[in-house]
Amino acid sequence: TQLLEQSPQFLSIQEGENLTVYCNSSSVFSSLQWYRQEPGEGPVLLVTVVTGGEVKKLKRLTFQFGDARKDSSLHITAAQPGDTGLYLCAGSGSARQLTFGSGTQLTVLP
Amino acid sequence: KAGVTQTPRYLIKTRGQQVTLSCSPISGHRSVSWYQQTPGQGLQFLFEYFSETQRNKGNFPGRFSGRQFSNSRSEMNVSTLELGDSALYLCASSAGHFGNYGYTFGSGTRLTVV
Repeated sequence: TQLLEQSPQFLSIQEGENLTVYCNSSSVFSSLQWYRQEPGEGPVLLVTVVTGGEVKKLKRLTFQFGDARKDSSLHITAAQPGDTGLYLCAGSGSARQLTFGSGTQLTVLP
Repeated sequence: KAGVTQTPRYLIKTRGQQVTLSCSPISGHRSVSWYQQTPGQGLQFLFEYFSETQRNKGNFPGRFSGRQFSNSRSEMNVSTLELGDSALYLCASSAGHFGNYGYTFGSGTRLTVV
């Protein structure tokens, strides 16, 4: 069974601060995805990373896939209240399904 | 381009009843996957269908079943409902198998079993 552990589980920060969310596994994934989910809605895909060591930037969000393709991180610079939501990492690999982490609930206070 | 449409959005059922949820994927997407989301367990994989064939199934009892039609629309059925089946059921479609390139999710069906 492929498992993904996310940390921290909860994060509450002030507007303008930086933060990093981690996603770790003992399994190798062929691709790693990050989603953001708002209350009452389905997750929305933010990015897919497929190459070990890959770094992708999406405005204030930076995503990194570990060299061994077992871990990933999401860094947000100068967080804004609109960034509030549940951030989920998900890995695609030998399990022939997309395995989701438990999520990080981010709250950005104005 | 229309997104993934799930119906109904909300449902209240009584223990022992059965329920059918519907999902219309993005046009051209042949893969449809279903997930159950609860506060305690997060997103748990139920099953994936591709071209009307079930390609993979998660660790759920046989009360959970699904199917996919020739137009890629999918339904999932839960029989003999239990209180623990209360959850947000999410459908996701993708162009490829097993979510390799990312899913587009619907808004979900909130099922409450009383």
